[in-house]
Amino acid sequence: GNSVTQMEGPVTLSEEAFLTINCTYTATGYPSLFWYVQYPGEGLQLLLKATKADDKGSNKGFEATYRKETTSFHLEKGSVQVSDSAVYFCALSEGNTDKLIFGTGTRLQVFP
Amino acid sequence: GAGVSQSPSNKVTEKGKDVELRCDPISGHTALYWYRQSLGQGLEFLIYFQGNSAPDKSGLPSDRFSAERTGGSVSTLTIQRTQQEDSAVYLCASSPNRGSGTEAFFGQGTRLTVV
Repeated sequence: GNSVTQMEGPVTLSEEAFLTINCTYTATGYPSLFWYVQYPGEGLQLLLKATKADDKGSNKGFEATYRKETTSFHLEKGSVQVSDSAVYFCALSEGNTDKLIFGTGTRLQVFP
Repeated sequence: GAGVSQSPSNKVTEKGKDVELRCDPISGHTALYWYRQSLGQGLEFLIYFQGNSAPDKSGLPSDRFSAERTGGSVSTLTIQRTQQEDSAVYLCASSPNRGSGTEAFFGQGTRLTVV
């Protein structure tokens, strides 16, 4: 079945450091890929998405590129801020449905 | 309301009791999901409703769990004979029926504690 694997956290960084959170997927077809974010005390919200191979999703300085050849959708940011501290979830949906399959989440902690 | 609404926000129940969790999706959204978020377990898919189609119940962990969606809108997740391992945050989400790639909108969740 479809699945998403992402790196375990917590990821601890100093402000302005470079961030990478790895995500790989297994799918039988051609999924859409997502990163969702959960800030402390808030609900899950979409950060960015890509719907086909080689697409790059971007938002709030975060980027992720849909790599079909490596079945990956790694999240990157060039310079993190304390306000980026949150839990990040990689997810996929496939086919004609909206059904979302999530990874286990990666907690990011950014210190000043 | 403008977003997905879940109630109650917190529920403490005794082991063996039944509980009902409610979700009001965004008006007009045909897809509705339930997930469970346990400490260290990420987001576990439970059940998915899409329009008038039969729900995808493949994620329900046991026959103590059931869910229904009345009139294509409000959904209720019922857990019978609760166990301590059922303690988690139960999240509901909805999305418009636009196929793969559509954003899902999440509620704030119901924190269930079984004592």
